[in-house]
Amino acid sequence: NAGVTQTPKFRILKIGQSMTLQCTQDMNHNYMYWYRQDPGMGLKLIYYSVGAGITDKGEVPNGYNVSRSTTEDFPLRLELAAPSQTSVYFCASSQEGGYTFGSGTRLTVV
Amino acid sequence: ILNVEQSPQSLHVQEGDSTNFTCSFPSSNFYALHWYRWETAKSPEALFVMTLNGDEKKKGRISATLNTKEGYSYLYIKGSQPEDSATYLCAPANSNSGYALNFGKGTSLLVTP
Repeated sequence: NAGVTQTPKFRILKIGQSMTLQCTQDMNHNYMYWYRQDPGMGLKLIYYSVGAGITDKGEVPNGYNVSRSTTEDFPLRLELAAPSQTSVYFCASSQEGGYTFGSGTRLTVV
Repeated sequence: ILNVEQSPQSLHVQEGDSTNFTCSFPSSNFYALHWYRWETAKSPEALFVMTLNGDEKKKGRISATLNTKEGYSYLYIKGSQPEDSATYLCAPANSNSGYALNFGKGTSLLVTP
């Protein structure tokens, strides 16, 4: 049982490049989330999904896009990377209890 | 977006000390209150999910209480050990936010031998 798997673990992007952060879970959870963690700021919700085909904005969605074509996968897309998007990104899933988090993706935009 | 306050911001205790932290949140439309433990270089791990006023939950030396009417929760650690060193996050959800949580900034606990 892998839980929540995020790839890649680390990435350096140049300004203006695009990339997709992958997230997959094998627990058949309906709910999935993307958070970013900035120093001293805690976890901020970017996007979330309550099921396949349904997504909604969180607190800080600008500059990101998501899709949820299957229950298992919830990729996060950065279209035009900016230095302000340098952060650690966490994907999580839940059903009716606590969240299960992935191991995180550390992204640096230079 | 729910306004979540955690105090203290950081705490340094000696091994064997008992300690507690506070999480304050809006009491209106309360749905659930989560506590997470987050060790450095790891991912947050769920400790408790609490939904009922007056609820008390326990896991080993860690316990939590909930007051939904006044909007606060306490996390207690009895006999702190160095392995308890971590950041403890609380996250409330109300009936509007549903399962999407807004996390507090956390209380950073350091336990030294």
